[in-house]
Amino acid sequence: GQSLEQPSEVTAVEGAIVQINCTYQTSGFYGLSWYQQHDGGAPTFLSYNALDGLEETGRFSSFLSRSDSYGYLLLQELQMKDSASYFCAVRVPDSNYQLIWGAGTKLIIKP
Amino acid sequence: DGGITQSPKYLFRKEGQNVTLSCEQNLNHDAMYWYRQDPGQGLRLIYYSQIVNDFQKGDIAEGYSVSREKKESFPLTVTSAQKNPTAFYLCASSGTGALSNQPQHFGDGTRLSIL
Repeated sequence: GQSLEQPSEVTAVEGAIVQINCTYQTSGFYGLSWYQQHDGGAPTFLSYNALDGLEETGRFSSFLSRSDSYGYLLLQELQMKDSASYFCAVRVPDSNYQLIWGAGTKLIIKP
Repeated sequence: DGGITQSPKYLFRKEGQNVTLSCEQNLNHDAMYWYRQDPGQGLRLIYYSQIVNDFQKGDIAEGYSVSREKKESFPLTVTSAQKNPTAFYLCASSGTGALSNQPQHFGDGTRLSIL
């Protein structure tokens, strides 16, 4: 089957850096996406990696290693508003634009 | 502003009743999706549609039905056959172009509870 693994919960301190990992086992691979969801809210798209390497968007960066079937989301200068759940998702060939979703990582930020 | 509108925000269902959740988008997206999210859990795909008048079952379609008569609209009916319907329901849409990155855009969700 196809699956994505990510930690269920990560705790960090305000102002620090945190990394949320995602490993995937899929039949084929187009790219890895990250979404943020605040409690009770809708998921919002953060980033997408199709090629190996680091993509930076402000305080957030996303990394992909296709050979290791692994990626991570890096959040820098953590703010309390970053407290949310973060989902990784993979698009695979012949999926009719569906995404395969991880179970999500709850990020808890302490002052 | 372009986006996805789900209604109602909260919905209560009586036993034996069918209820319909509305999802409308003005992003001109061809693909639309319905997800179910239980507390503290990830997203599970109920149904998806790539084009008008066509839709496919996702991982947990039993007890649900959909229609796609217009590009903008993708309503979800939770039937009485769905014995545990209490959950947060999210509708999403995306483009279907050649680029592999077609991010999904989500509505604000409908929270369904049993009376």
